[in-house]
Amino acid sequence: DAGVTQSPTHLIKTRGQQVTLRCSPKSGHDTVSWYQQALGQGPQFIFQYYEEEERQRGNFPDRFSGHQFPNYSSELNVNALLLGDSALYLCASSLYSLTGELFFGEGSRLTVL
Amino acid sequence: DQQVKQNSPSLSVQEGRISILNCDYTNSMFDYFLWYKKYPAEGPTFLISISSIKDKNEDGRFTVFLNKSAKHLSLHIVPSQPGDSAVYFCAASPGFYQLTFGKGTKLSVIP
Repeated sequence: DAGVTQSPTHLIKTRGQQVTLRCSPKSGHDTVSWYQQALGQGPQFIFQYYEEEERQRGNFPDRFSGHQFPNYSSELNVNALLLGDSALYLCASSLYSLTGELFFGEGSRLTVL
Repeated sequence: DQQVKQNSPSLSVQEGRISILNCDYTNSMFDYFLWYKKYPAEGPTFLISISSIKDKNEDGRFTVFLNKSAKHLSLHIVPSQPGDSAVYFCAASPGFYQLTFGKGTKLSVIP
């Protein structure tokens, strides 16, 4: 049973560029959430997708956008990259009907130069 | 404004002894609390949770205690094992699935 898979694992971009990160949820899960973890910090909620719609959003600018596909996989897009966007981006999947317990992928490490 | 606080960045414990990790929260709307463990180069892994209607939840060597009046929870690991060495994150939710995490406590269990 495959868990949450994310790609790419590492990537380097320059300021002003755009990036797309991808996530496949754990089998049977219908909800995908994205978190940003800066160095020395805990994960911070970006947004959550269910039924191909953004259901909740954290305190992140509109440069951060996402998408969920009919097969429940998801993408996170970040436009006009800033140095401060350098972080580990974590995807987590769950069942919408259940509270709290999330299954995380290993993350995508983004470095912005 | 940090709504979930883990005031100890690190903790060292002898193998076989008890590890106690602490967490404080400020948001009264939180009603579900979780602990996650994270090894380097891996995503966080769910460990144990507790809802606000309880004050204790046990799972094997792991016990979480919740003191709602003090807005405080703690994770007890007994006995501690070297494989428990990891970063532990406390997280809280208002029941709407969005989790707010603390900054984590790095636990080192010394053989």
